[in-house]
Amino acid sequence: EIVMTQSPATLSVSPGESATLSCRASQSVSSNLAWYQQRPGQAPRLLIYGASSRATGIPARFSGSGSGTEFTLTISSLQSEDFAVYFCQQYNSWPTFGQGTKLEIK
Amino acid sequence: QVQLQESGPGLVKPSETLSLTCSVSGYSIRSGNYWAWIRQPPGKRLEWIGSMYHSGATYYNPSLKSRVTISVDTSKNQFSLKVNSVTAADTAVYYCASRAVTTANYFDPWGQGILVTVSS
Repeated sequence: EIVMTQSPATLSVSPGESATLSCRASQSVSSNLAWYQQRPGQAPRLLIYGASSRATGIPARFSGSGSGTEFTLTISSLQSEDFAVYFCQQYNSWPTFGQGTKLEIK
Repeated sequence: QVQLQESGPGLVKPSETLSLTCSVSGYSIRSGNYWAWIRQPPGKRLEWIGSMYHSGATYYNPSLKSRVTISVDTSKNQFSLKVNSVTAADTAVYYCASRAVTTANYFDPWGQGILVTVSS
């Protein structure tokens, strides 16, 4: 099983600033990585797939990078609706997820 | 667009079978796609349970494979999950999700989720 580790567990950022979230895989997953956003009470929403491709309808302020074992999700110019939980998922092997990063308002 | 909605009992007794259904709207199951179940125990990370292609091929998490069955009912445009011999460790929010045939194994969209508690 490929273990995904996200950091930090909680990130406090002010609206308008940028946030950088990290995801590390226990072994290489190539670029087979997705990022999701989950707002309270809502279904998870796909943001990024293939490590860096934005899903349909996702604003350009969301960007993903990385390959192998180290990945980053960057959210620029944070808006109120961006404060949520984010988790990564690898699909190089059978799917496994990170434990999530909570992005909260500073 | 595809929309998914989970339904089923919110409370299941230990040793019994957990049964959930995901109703699909905006898309015909028989047209394709993979149909998946994912769960999140309280305070823990998401766990992929398994996926099924509309034709019947199934893929399960090795750690759950012996207790899980995913099936599709194309006449009702629904797919289902059964987990046998449940324990408290099966208490979780259960999500259904979809994956397009033409994409890799990530999930879009997801249902809202349903909390299932295993308790006597």
